[in-house]
Amino acid sequence: AQSVTQLDSHVSVSEGTPVLLRCNYSSSYSPSLFWYVQHPNKGLQLLLKYTSAATLVKGINGFEAEFKKSETSFHLTKPSAHMSDAAEYFCVVSDQTLSGGYNKLIFGAGTRLAVHP
Amino acid sequence: DADVTQTPRNRITKTGKRIMLECSQTKGHDRMYWYRQDPGLGLRLIYYSFDVKDINKGEISDGYSVSRQAQAKFSLSLESAIPNQTALYFCATSAQSGRTDTQYFGPGTRLTVL
Repeated sequence: AQSVTQLDSHVSVSEGTPVLLRCNYSSSYSPSLFWYVQHPNKGLQLLLKYTSAATLVKGINGFEAEFKKSETSFHLTKPSAHMSDAAEYFCVVSDQTLSGGYNKLIFGAGTRLAVHP
Repeated sequence: DADVTQTPRNRITKTGKRIMLECSQTKGHDRMYWYRQDPGLGLRLIYYSFDVKDINKGEISDGYSVSRQAQAKFSLSLESAIPNQTALYFCATSAQSGRTDTQYFGPGTRLTVL
């Protein structure tokens, strides 16, 4: 079975400093991986998606993530945090073991990012 | 995403009441999903539907039912609400796309069961 672990429940950074949100996954197959962001009282917005193309994936708002198969990791980074980045971030792996062409999404527990002035 | 709407956005109800949460989408997607979000647990799948005639249970379907009234509409019902169904509920949609669909989420419905 596939699973995903977000290693930090809370991360706090200063504005202008780098952001690192860590995610490890477990998969018996070649996974698809996503990062979603949830701002307060908002729905989930897709940041980026990996589906076996380039291992370094660029997303919106300056975020990127690198797929490392040897480490089973898909960490999310941003060179310089902005106040508007404060939100909850979810790492998601796609379960492709189900029949019928359905790709079940398995969510991590989330990492809450705080950005301080 | 404004293309996926959920009503109501907030609801407070009492134990034993019947509740319906509605989801509509203008993205033209054939696949729709209902999730619930609880603190520290991420999102968990309740039901999903590939088209109007296809309904499937997710990992936590007990106590819930769904109706796919049209391609664009997917409703979630709690026949007799209980307090541990207090959660944030999300609808999502996707279109079959190569290896993996991308799911697009609505703004959520915050449900409180007293």
